[in-house]
Amino acid sequence: GQQLNQSPQSMFIQEGEDVSMNCTSSSIFNTWLWYKQDPGEGPVLLIALYKAGELTSNGRLTAQFGITRKDSFLNISASIPSDVGIYFCAGPFYGGSQGNLIFGKGTKLSVKP
Amino acid sequence: KAGVTQTPRYLIKTRGQQVTLSCSPISGHRSVSWYQQTPGQGLQFLFEYFSETQRNKGNFPGRFSGRQFSNSRSEMNVSTLELGDSALYLCASSLRQGANEQYFGPGTRLTVT
Repeated sequence: GQQLNQSPQSMFIQEGEDVSMNCTSSSIFNTWLWYKQDPGEGPVLLIALYKAGELTSNGRLTAQFGITRKDSFLNISASIPSDVGIYFCAGPFYGGSQGNLIFGKGTKLSVKP
Repeated sequence: KAGVTQTPRYLIKTRGQQVTLSCSPISGHRSVSWYQQTPGQGLQFLFEYFSETQRNKGNFPGRFSGRQFSNSRSEMNVSTLELGDSALYLCASSLRQGANEQYFGPGTRLTVT
């Protein structure tokens, strides 16, 4: 079935550093979504991508829809402490009926001690 | 515009009991989806409601059910609670059925003892 694999699982950041993470699947996706979740809160939609090769920015965040339609990338430039949290990729699951979202396991961003 | 609201935020129940969780979508959004989030399984889709009808269902037992009212507000019910039902239950709303951009509420943290 459809599965989303995120890497890395976790990473430590120092303020000012650029961060990169990615999401891959063995299946083709027509949409890629990136969410961020803070402790005790629900995921917040950061960026939505709808077209292969598309590059979309939201402030310091930039996400790309992979050309093969089986992957997506999220970059955060000049990280700040409030970037800490868990980042999820998601895409629509087409299994039997109208699609709904499946999620990767997340990339956890923490501050470097 | 107010976001998705969920009540209650925290709940403690005993094995065998039942529980009802409530979700109010963003004004104008007609589709409501429910997800279960656990450390082991991550975010998993439960079901989607649109126009007071369940449109899509994930792979959960029949103890999990839901409904949607004419004002798009939704409730989910879990009967005969098991310890493994302890999780964060998230509600997400979107403009229409099967829409990819879903906006999440803060969740209800359910603990079953």
